[in-house]
Formats: sequence, C-alpha cells, structure tokens
Amino acid sequence: KQEVTQIPAALSVPEGENLVLNCSFTDSAIYNLQWFRQDPGKGLTSLLLIQSSQREQTSGRLNASLDKSSGRSTLYIAASQPGDSATYLCAVNRNTPLVFGKGTRLSVIA
Amino acid sequence: DTGVSQDPRHKITKRGQNVTFRCDPISEHNRLYWYRQTLGQGPEFLTYFQNEAQLEKSRLLSDRFSAERPKGSFSTLEIQRTEQGDSAMYLCASSLQGMAKNIQYFGAGTRLSVL
Repeated sequence: KQEVTQIPAALSVPEGENLVLNCSFTDSAIYNLQWFRQDPGKGLTSLLLIQSSQREQTSGRLNASLDKSSGRSTLYIAASQPGDSATYLCAVNRNTPLVFGKGTRLSVIA
Repeated sequence: DTGVSQDPRHKITKRGQNVTFRCDPISEHNRLYWYRQTLGQGPEFLTYFQNEAQLEKSRLLSDRFSAERPKGSFSTLEIQRTEQGDSAMYLCASSLQGMAKNIQYFGAGTRLSVL
C-alpha cells in the first residue's frame, strides 16, 4: 500500500529565505507526482507535476525534483514571500486515486 | 474549459439530516473522483467513476454514503443520517483516462459542517 510522508509538518521562515519541503513515498511504481497548494478552507491548486521519467520541473520561484528510485521529492521555494503562506501537499499517482501526504503548513513572516 | 465545479461551496446541517453534493467535471473527462479531507490531514480517496461505472470504493465510504454518475457527466455524493464525524471538505476531481498519465484536476470543494 502506497504511503506518502511529508516533512516537516509545519515550517515558519522569515521573508526572503529559500526553503525546501520534503515528500517521500513507499512504492516507486508511480506515473507522476504532483505538488499542490491549499489555502485555509479552500480547495487544491496544482503547482507542479513531475512525470516519472522527469527529474525536475520549474515554475517561477518553485522547483520540484523527483528521485523515483529512492522514493523522494522536494519542493524548493526561492525568496519566500508572505503570500506563499499555505499548506503544501504532495500526491503520487499510479493510474487510479491519488495518494496524498498530510502536508507541510508554511508560514512566511514579514 | 470551465474547470471542475462543485456545489454548494458550504453546507451546514444538523446531525441526522441527509445532504447531497454535486460535482461537474471538465466536459471531456471520463473519470471522476471524490475525496474527503479532514482538518490537518491530506485528502483521502472515497470513490471514482469511469463514465457512469463506479469502479472503486474505499473503506471510508460507509453504507450512509452513496455516489452516482448517472449519465457519465456530473456526479452526486449523498450522505444519509449525517454524523458530526462527517464534517470535512469534500473534494471532486476529474481526469481523462490515458492522457498525460491521468492528471487529476480538482474543484474548490464543498465544506460540510454537521452540528
């Protein structure tokens, strides 16, 4: 059974810092991995999707990497801003339902 | 492409009442998923449809829950005799099987509060 773990559970950083969020999964047989952002009480916003054949994806200040063989992904956020404060979720996909981690709650302090 | 729509966005009900949620997927998508998210947790899978066929249900989907997708387009999720433990965000997603490895697109969710 696929299990997804996200570390840390919560993170507080001053504005401007670069930071890394971690995601690990137990079964490396995945099609892709997705990072989502969730604001309090809201739905999910897809940030980045990495196919299993890819090593990384970039969008603006965000960079996600994938090491499928070791079951790990990281989300790197450069020059963090208060508007980045949210919960970040990773999810792995193999044909059927996504399996999510519990998320990392990020607070960026101005 | 208007994205995945969910209605209502918020629902407050009293314990014991029945509630029904609706999800309209992206029009050409043949797969539709329901997830539930409780506070501090990631979304957990409930059930999914391919066209009108319900292909998989999780253990979380008790007898009080029923989902339908009668014509392979929109879907409804009904909860009968609601309990306080049903309070959660209910998320719907859709995808096109076989395309881009089944990328799922999510709606904004329906937040249920059972008093």
